[in-house]
Amino acid sequence: GESVGLHLPTLSVQEGDNSIINCAYSNSASDYFIWYKQESGKGPQFIIDIRSNMDKRQGQRVTVLLNKTVKHLSLQIAATQPGDSAVYFCAENDGSYKLIFGSGTRLLVRP
Amino acid sequence: DARVTQTPRHKVTEMGQEVTMRCQPILGHNTVFWYRQTMMQGLELLAYFRNRAPLDDSGMPKDRFSAEMPDATLATLKIQPSEPRDSAVYFCASGTRGNTEAFFGQGTRLTVV
Repeated sequence: GESVGLHLPTLSVQEGDNSIINCAYSNSASDYFIWYKQESGKGPQFIIDIRSNMDKRQGQRVTVLLNKTVKHLSLQIAATQPGDSAVYFCAENDGSYKLIFGSGTRLLVRP
Repeated sequence: DARVTQTPRHKVTEMGQEVTMRCQPILGHNTVFWYRQTMMQGLELLAYFRNRAPLDDSGMPKDRFSAEMPDATLATLKIQPSEPRDSAVYFCASGTRGNTEAFFGQGTRLTVV
């Protein structure tokens, strides 16, 4: 089942290439950021997080970059695979319990 | 394999009917969130519980929505009466205080006709 709408920005990449998904956040007081992946018919799944005292964090095949000056967050996926096709959301948190989600980017991986 | 469990996965109902969605948070988690996802609004926070107490339900239309945690293993979201504009996917998520990562369930896709 489709979980998100048809009006999302879409990034189309060739299998094996690197993907970069960008996100602009709004609250300069936000100090914690998360990237979520949502596959069709499923709930958002945690990928990687970063705190505002860092500007880069690496996971397995993924890297998150944070630029607080321009309030920009990016998710880099190395050697993109078909299983990476999904909608990706960034979320920000200002130290309270609330996560504020961005509108999402759809990643399509071409075989 | 610890996960958040939501039931039902799909619900089709007629306008005016009561709808109850259920969530079993991950054992040991003491925070529970209800989110609604639509094409137009994306992911919206409806309610937040900590240690079973509702700390924030400002995202919910109070006249028709209610959220409760009868015990630590069950959270419910009720809509009465339901309206077509309530059609959406409703997600429950759980976490632990001090850890802002939220683990999401599979969602309940609600269609009100």
